[in-house]
Amino acid sequence: AQSVTQLDSHVSVSEGTPVLLRCNYSSSYSPSLFWYVQHPNKGLQLLLKYTSAATLVKGINGFEAEFKKSETSFHLTKPSAHMSDAAEYFCVVSAAAGNKLTFGGGTRVLVKP
Amino acid sequence: GAGVSQSPSNKVTEKGKDVELRCDPISGHTALYWYRQRLGQGLEFLIYFQGNSAPDKSGLPSDRFSAERTGESVSTLTIQRTQQEDSAVYLCASSFPGRTTDTQYFGPGTRLTVL
Repeated sequence: AQSVTQLDSHVSVSEGTPVLLRCNYSSSYSPSLFWYVQHPNKGLQLLLKYTSAATLVKGINGFEAEFKKSETSFHLTKPSAHMSDAAEYFCVVSAAAGNKLTFGGGTRVLVKP
Repeated sequence: GAGVSQSPSNKVTEKGKDVELRCDPISGHTALYWYRQRLGQGLEFLIYFQGNSAPDKSGLPSDRFSAERTGESVSTLTIQRTQQEDSAVYLCASSFPGRTTDTQYFGPGTRLTVL
């Protein structure tokens, strides 16, 4: 069994300040972990993924995430938020069998000018 | 096409009617997935097709839901006797075969509203 918990349903940041989106997971298998972003009225876009290589993963648009096995966490960060980062972000874990994705509840990011 | 496409983009139906949602995966992707996203929530897995193997239907919420896939191409998700709780965005994704860490590419979704 696997599950994902995104600790914040909403995050509000000012443009130019750091963004931190928290994610904890549980999985019976060695997990693959993903962050997806969903802009209003648009499809899901992959930001980055962890697949047991480097624990610090760099993604698109300046985002990165660090896999910490001891803490079962995969937090997403960006050093400086941009207005275009306003969207909903999903932390996702993949099972070894069938590659079914389990999604967290999402974190909606608001960027203030 | 360049990405996963879904049709229709929006569907409004009356309670009790049947609906069909269509997904065209990326060419060459043998794995295809359906998910449901209720308002304000994350995605729920519904069904998974991989090549000619029997589909994994473990996420289908009731026997009113079914899906088919023609070879390694188009898939149709059918909801019979729709209920108001079926209102959601239905998302389709596809990926390359073989590796469990393959990235899933999502379509734009079909927004279903059951009145």
